[in-house]
Amino acid sequence: GESVGLHLPTLSVQEGDNSIINCAYSNSASDYFIWYKQESGKGPQFIIDIRSNMDKRQGQRVTVLLNKTVKHLSLQIAATQPGDSAVYFCATNSGGSNYKLTFGKGTLLTVNP
Amino acid sequence: NAGVMQNPRHLVRRRGQEARLRCSPMKGHSHVYWYRQLPEEGLKFMVYLQKENIIDESGMPKERFSAEFPKEGPSILRIQQVVRGDSAAYFCASSPRRQGGNYGYTFGSGTRLTVV
Repeated sequence: GESVGLHLPTLSVQEGDNSIINCAYSNSASDYFIWYKQESGKGPQFIIDIRSNMDKRQGQRVTVLLNKTVKHLSLQIAATQPGDSAVYFCATNSGGSNYKLTFGKGTLLTVNP
Repeated sequence: NAGVMQNPRHLVRRRGQEARLRCSPMKGHSHVYWYRQLPEEGLKFMVYLQKENIIDESGMPKERFSAEFPKEGPSILRIQQVVRGDSAAYFCASSPRRQGGNYGYTFGSGTRLTVV
């Protein structure tokens, strides 16, 4: 069955460092990928997305890289701040669906001051 | 412009009781999606509804779970005869039209159901 997984369940970084969160997906039909941030007690909050016709996309302090060959994507956060502490999920559109998302288990990012 | 509103935020039920979770989509949004999040897990798709129609319920357990999105009022996720394994966070998202990913796909803050 389809799965989306993360390589590390937790990541601890120092304030100001760059963070890299990785994600692997299994369904080659997926063509849309999203990173969400979830703070304690809240719903997922959109960070950045990327379509399969791209391999890199940048936002404010965040960059998503997509490697379709190995079905891997990553989220890079520059100059990580304490407010970035949260659980980060990658998600894909299930098998190319235009409404259903498949989420990974999440990586807990802790930023130490 | 209020976001997706879910209530209650926290719900405690005894085994065998019924749980009703409500979701009011963003203004102008006519598509609603329910997801369930077990502890330390990612969100899992349950059901996709439009007004008065269930479009895809492939993620709903076959028994005890039902969902509706009436012409008037919020979407309701109903769990009958709850069991401890139903304890989870239930998230609702809405979008203005059927689109993939984040195109107008906004999540609420969730209802945390605890079955005791």
